[in-house]
Amino acid sequence: GAGVSQSPSNKVTEKGKDVELRCDPISGHTALYWYRQSLGQGLEFLIYFQGNSAPDKSGLPSDRFSAERTGGSVSTLTIQRTQQEDSAVYLCASSLDGPWGNSPLHFGNGTRLTVT
Amino acid sequence: KNEVEQSPQNLTAQEGEFITINCSYSVGISALHWLQQHPGGGIVSLFMLSSGKKKHGRLIATINIQEKHSSLHITASHPRDSAVYICAVPNYGGATNKLIFGTGTLLAVQP
Repeated sequence: GAGVSQSPSNKVTEKGKDVELRCDPISGHTALYWYRQSLGQGLEFLIYFQGNSAPDKSGLPSDRFSAERTGGSVSTLTIQRTQQEDSAVYLCASSLDGPWGNSPLHFGNGTRLTVT
Repeated sequence: KNEVEQSPQNLTAQEGEFITINCSYSVGISALHWLQQHPGGGIVSLFMLSSGKKKHGRLIATINIQEKHSSLHITASHPRDSAVYICAVPNYGGATNKLIFGTGTLLAVQP
């Protein structure tokens, strides 16, 4: 497809388990962002990739969170030992260039993570 | 003080009304994004603008770089416009390269 694809769309997991969320950006987009949105809250920045490198990891809430991007394309966000407060919608967005550029953002539909 | 502030936080309008949502920011920017999020739905990028005005259908976005202010206007509003509208700017002056989001404006258009 032409848009940003995220999988799975929904994930229910037990507290303490690890989860992997996947984002497939639009082909050719160098910038990739991960955000999360908790129920009733605004968007919270997690991490930003420019190509395969992550110049900004400042938003990752704890060392249980990690992300990687390979081949300048697909990115995975991994949450280890999930906690109930990790429950949120995890959104991925991509753009042709970085935040300083003039390219619009394209968002995926998100992964709704529920930790029971 | 938040670096990006939106007003109003909540807005209820009657169908057909002209709507304005405001966004003020305190950081230097290269471009500003307006985003739309329907309840339970995904986020759609409406506009990305760095100067002047852009129009798409019934939506108009303006920006005044000197005053660090942008507005999103909706003409002839319709119930399907009900959504959260969010403005976002790059963190131009900081050490990090992230978007800073406003808290959003929840718009409800009643028939």
